[in-house]
Parts: sequence; C-alpha cells; structure tokens
Amino acid sequence: GESVGLHLPTLSVQEGDNSIINCAYSNSASDYFIWYKQESGKGPQFIIDIRSNMDKRQGQRVTVLLNKTVKHLSLQIAATQPGDSAVYFCAENPNTGFQKLVFGTGTRLLVSP
Amino acid sequence: DVKVTQSSRYLVKRTGEKVFLECVQDMDHENMFWYRQDPGLGLRLIYFSYDVKMKEKGDIPEGYSVSREKKERFSLILESASTNQTSMYLCASSPWTEYEQYFGPGTRLTVT
Repeated sequence: GESVGLHLPTLSVQEGDNSIINCAYSNSASDYFIWYKQESGKGPQFIIDIRSNMDKRQGQRVTVLLNKTVKHLSLQIAATQPGDSAVYFCAENPNTGFQKLVFGTGTRLLVSP
Repeated sequence: DVKVTQSSRYLVKRTGEKVFLECVQDMDHENMFWYRQDPGLGLRLIYFSYDVKMKEKGDIPEGYSVSREKKERFSLILESASTNQTSMYLCASSPWTEYEQYFGPGTRLTVT
C-alpha cells in the first residue's frame, strides 16, 4: 500500500493498551485544533476537534487535551485496536481570518495484536 | 456524507508536461483546498479558494496555479511539471461556517 511519512515518529502499542499521541503547536493565537487519522492509501479523516476555550473534549474512545500554557495538544485513544493503526495528524487554525488549517508532520501508530 | 472526489488515484507524467488535477465536492462547500503531502513534511497548503473565481496562495504556491469556475470543482494545474513535484496531492473542502475539512482520497503524481 501507500507509504506515508517514511520518517515519522512512531508509537508502537499492544492491542488493548491506551495510546497517547502528542503534538506541539506554534501559534498562541490559534483558536481551533483538530486531529485527523490517515490510513494507508486514503485521505485524512476527522477524529475529534477542540476550541481554544476548552481544555478537554471526549469522543468515542478518544479524548483530546489542550494545554494552552505550553502550546501542547494530545490525543488519547482508549483500548487501542489494530484498526487504529494509521498516521495521526494534528492541525491548528492560526486565526488569520481564513479557515485554513496548519498541519503537523504526523505520528505513526502501530498496534500489535 | 460529504464526498470529495479526485480525478485520478495515480498519475505518471513527463517533465515539462502540463498537468491538471481535478477535485469535485458534492456538499456545496464554499472553501476548497489543495495540499501536497511528502514524507516527514506533513500536509502543506498549495492554494485555497473561498468562493467561485477566488483564490489565495498557501505556503508553497510556486510552480502551481488553480482554477475555480464552479463552486463544486477546484482544479490544480502544474504548468510545466518537474521531478520535484512528484508527491501525493490531496484536495479538501469545508463549509464557510466550519474549520473541519473533508478530504479526497489523494492523487499520487509521479513526474519522470
């Protein structure tokens, strides 16, 4: 299949473990953050988002935490499954008046059965 | 469900050729985006459009142009393809009221 991000940081976990993927952002004016999942050969798919007036948001098996003090974003996946294996990207809206997103370089998550 | 389609999954072109990549979305979204994705560099914005006939440069517009004659269609044009434009190209769209972008499956372009 497609090889996306040959030089990506990689997180390897066992099935059933909890996974934490981290992301540092650069723009303190950013007001919106989003996590995408990209499986091999596919375009990125939305996982969860959070606005800057929140610290935490939960979805189904996923939680996003935002620490504005240190400009850090994390994605927590509970009970990781083999189907969670993918590249995960964080992105921010730099609040420049357009609805652009600035993407991080991504983290590859490998889940072993 | 929002659907974003791209005209080709794989494309091989020769250096110097003019290349057209087409993107169509079916959800009446105002915003459309073209990115390229390279190993270790994430997604980099080439151009975006927030309305018909409107376009804005992204972070890496050099060597590319775009066209948006209809709301649902956004075309990326490589006027004279070069080997350093070999990449995965992703199209996305979003409504004016949201930041979330919906992506197509991508076009893997190889320039030889």
